[in-house]
Amino acid sequence: SAVISQKPSRDICQRGTSLTIQCQVDSQVTMMFWYRQQPGQSLTLIATANQGSEATYESGFVIDKFPISRPNLTFSTLTVSNMSPEDSSIYLCSVGLVFGPGTRLLVL
Amino acid sequence: AQRVTQPEKLLSVFKGAPVELKCNYSYSGSPELFWYVQYSRQRLQLLLRHISRESIKGFTADLNKGETSFHLKKPFAQEEDSAMYYCALNSFGGTSYGKLTFGQGTILTVHP
Repeated sequence: SAVISQKPSRDICQRGTSLTIQCQVDSQVTMMFWYRQQPGQSLTLIATANQGSEATYESGFVIDKFPISRPNLTFSTLTVSNMSPEDSSIYLCSVGLVFGPGTRLLVL
Repeated sequence: AQRVTQPEKLLSVFKGAPVELKCNYSYSGSPELFWYVQYSRQRLQLLLRHISRESIKGFTADLNKGETSFHLKKPFAQEEDSAMYYCALNSFGGTSYGKLTFGQGTILTVHP
């Protein structure tokens, strides 16, 4: 199964700034997924990222807030824009049924 | 819309006791269900998928379409089973996986 890495593993950011999270897969895949896990909550799908097309966002998530890039079949980025403390979460990418280690974000 | 419910946020048992983590779902299509486990300081990992009908680390789960349940069971709990367990439902059809709906999770603690 795929091996997924994410950068950064954690970060502390100031409100109003943006953070880009990278997800790297060790094999070529068509679809990659981004999830959010808010404190004490379960995982919620943010969007599906297909190579060569715009990401598909789930209800409650918009491209302006969470722009996603998918430049090739092994890589994707998720940007959390204009951050507020409510964006403090763990952000995970996945391929199929395999998850990355997550990026723990704290917004002050 | 699909939904996965895990009614117990916390579950505590003693070592050697049976354990059952409950999961109920609602889905209009043919469900594909999974159990994930997250040990302390480790990443989320797939434990079981209903389609495989296998036993992993002594855990089994049977899909009951009549009761719309997919409960996770183990006859004799071990201390190393202490972890967060998530039930998840795949919204993609066919053999595509990845668009998962997760339950709220159950923290299992196995006491010595």
